[in-house]
Amino acid sequence: GAGVSQSPSNKVTEKGKDVELRCDPISGHTALYWYRQSLGQGLEFLIYFQGNSAPDKSGLPSDRFSAERTGGSVSTLTIQRTQQEDSAVYLCASSRGRDSLFTDTQYFGPGTRLTVL
Amino acid sequence: AQSVTQPDIHITVSEGASLELRCNYSYGATPYLFWYVQSPGQGLQLLLKYFSGDTLVQGIKGFEAEFKRSQSSFNLRKPSVHWSDAAEYFCAATGTGANNLFFGTGTRLTVIP
Repeated sequence: GAGVSQSPSNKVTEKGKDVELRCDPISGHTALYWYRQSLGQGLEFLIYFQGNSAPDKSGLPSDRFSAERTGGSVSTLTIQRTQQEDSAVYLCASSRGRDSLFTDTQYFGPGTRLTVL
Repeated sequence: AQSVTQPDIHITVSEGASLELRCNYSYGATPYLFWYVQSPGQGLQLLLKYFSGDTLVQGIKGFEAEFKRSQSSFNLRKPSVHWSDAAEYFCAATGTGANNLFFGTGTRLTVIP
């Protein structure tokens, strides 16, 4: 596809379960971002991958959150022992990976809506 | 600390009326500023962006935004709103060396006939 895709589009889980959210970036994009959009909140940065560099994990809210990017392409965001406050829309974005975020436009996927019961 | 404030949670305008969505930023250095739109079920789409030069920038879909350094504002405007403009609008900021965008909480736009 031409855009960023995310799966599943919706995920309902029970408190305490682990979940995995997937992001397929635009082909050729070396930069990948995860954001979280909670009700009434703006988008909150979670993690950033750029090529083979160590990811910027500064936005991850707790050690229950982790992310991987395999082969420089697909990324998986994992939330362990989910809590109700984890309920949100998780958005993935990718970009070409140029030096400046001004010139390097981020393209967003449609998001995964996570509901923790 | 970096922050972006969108003071209006929800705005309702009539189709054909003009629109202004407010955005204020707090950023140490000269920021890069953006406006994104999120339609239901869609990803965020970039409307326009500003870093330097002419303080009035034109974007897609007939939108424009004006940077006012003295007011730390970057308000989005459209002269005549269409029903298809109903969506959530996000202002964002970042700067040199940053790895991510800082977003406001968004303004939901409703357009009435």
